[in-house]
Amino acid sequence: GENVEQHPSTLSVQEGDSAVIKCTYSDSASNYFPWYKQELGKRPQLIIDIRSNVGEKKDQRIAVTLNKTAKHFSLHITETQPEDSAVYFCAARMEYGNKLVFGAGTILRVKS
Amino acid sequence: ETGVTQSPTHLIKTRGQQVTLRCSSQSGHNTVSWYQQALGQGPQFIFQYYREEENGRGNFPPRFSGLQFPNYSSELNVNALELDDSALYLCASSPDLSGDTQYFGPGTRLTVL
Repeated sequence: GENVEQHPSTLSVQEGDSAVIKCTYSDSASNYFPWYKQELGKRPQLIIDIRSNVGEKKDQRIAVTLNKTAKHFSLHITETQPEDSAVYFCAARMEYGNKLVFGAGTILRVKS
Repeated sequence: ETGVTQSPTHLIKTRGQQVTLRCSSQSGHNTVSWYQQALGQGPQFIFQYYREEENGRGNFPPRFSGLQFPNYSSELNVNALELDDSALYLCASSPDLSGDTQYFGPGTRLTVL
């Protein structure tokens, strides 16, 4: 089946701490994994993505790791700031139709 | 800004009516995907268009249909609206058939009464 599970559903961290969000996927043929940030009332914004030929990718305070054997990938945000507060979605591209299947989302709250 | 635009911003319809939503893709992007996002959930894939042809469809009934035009803009049509169709409808464009690096538009909020 086509499924992406995302945990936790909510995450509260203190400003300056790190935040980690984890996802698992079911389609072993998936080879592209983007992460989106969605602020209230706004569009999902692509913040980082990774392809299956890479194990880790970093962009400033954001990093994503991928374990293809275990079929899971994670988003790491370091030195969190209040403006990081949003809903974060992971997704995996399925082989059929190139469609993205999204996780249910994680509400991240960064307390100052 | 990503360059993907959608219209209208908000729409209120009654059950049984039909609706057309529009999307203009980012310059240079030839692939458009449509998603339905219910409140508190992740986007659900409806279908994807590449160069005016449907290229994959999610678990949505046939009353959800689409079009893509030669300029790569796109329409989503929903017939016989149901209350459960109330959601944010998002389109996303990407530069090629792979569907990688999809950039979303601001969405159309559809309310069905």
